[in-house]
Amino acid sequence: QVRLVQSGAEVKKPGASVKVSCKASGYPFTSYGIHWVRLAPGQRLEWMGWVNVGNDNTKYSPRFQGRVTITRDTSASTAYMELSSLTSEDTALYFCARDVGRSGGTFPYWGQGTQVTVSS
Amino acid sequence: EIVMTQSPDTLSVSPGERATLSCRASQTIRSNLAWYQHKPGQAPRLLIYDVSTRATGTPARFSGSGSGTEFTLTISSLQSEDFALYYCQQYDNWPPMYTFGQGTKLEIK
Repeated sequence: QVRLVQSGAEVKKPGASVKVSCKASGYPFTSYGIHWVRLAPGQRLEWMGWVNVGNDNTKYSPRFQGRVTITRDTSASTAYMELSSLTSEDTALYFCARDVGRSGGTFPYWGQGTQVTVSS
Repeated sequence: EIVMTQSPDTLSVSPGERATLSCRASQTIRSNLAWYQHKPGQAPRLLIYDVSTRATGTPARFSGSGSGTEFTLTISSLQSEDFALYYCQQYDNWPPMYTFGQGTKLEIK
């Protein structure tokens, strides 16, 4: 079955960067896009960006443009999200999610979430 | 950016009763609207996509309706496991630039 397994919780200092991984299994990795969504305390779910795993195209939310980089390693069936210049407002639960392919924009499969805490 | 606004923020309903959740888009999103259920400590779960199509495993008591900018999620007879947060999401843009509503908390009355 489809599984997305994310890396473990992170604690970072303000100004640092964090890189979260998302290892996929149970489907052809290059056939579907991977998106990153976060949930900060008291906030709504927030779409951060996407990678077309097949051709490595990416698109980022303007809110994170310049700070977020989404990559993938097809040999490892793993996607990555790196967020730089962290502030306390980046403390959140970060999810990877797989789309339905063919430009489909819904997420039937999600990782378990990675807690990122930014604190001095 | 397409802004999604849900109402109400909190809905108190008794088990067995009907719940109606609303979602409004700041511009037309055609039928590119999904609903997710989210419980603490879990990943969000896709319930409905394309406004009214139930995802695999979604019980028939969940139904979606609407078009353009106004959408509704109805839960016909609330079960204990339905009390959770619900988010709507638009996916009308390509390349993707997706947005979620602020969520409606469905709580036991």
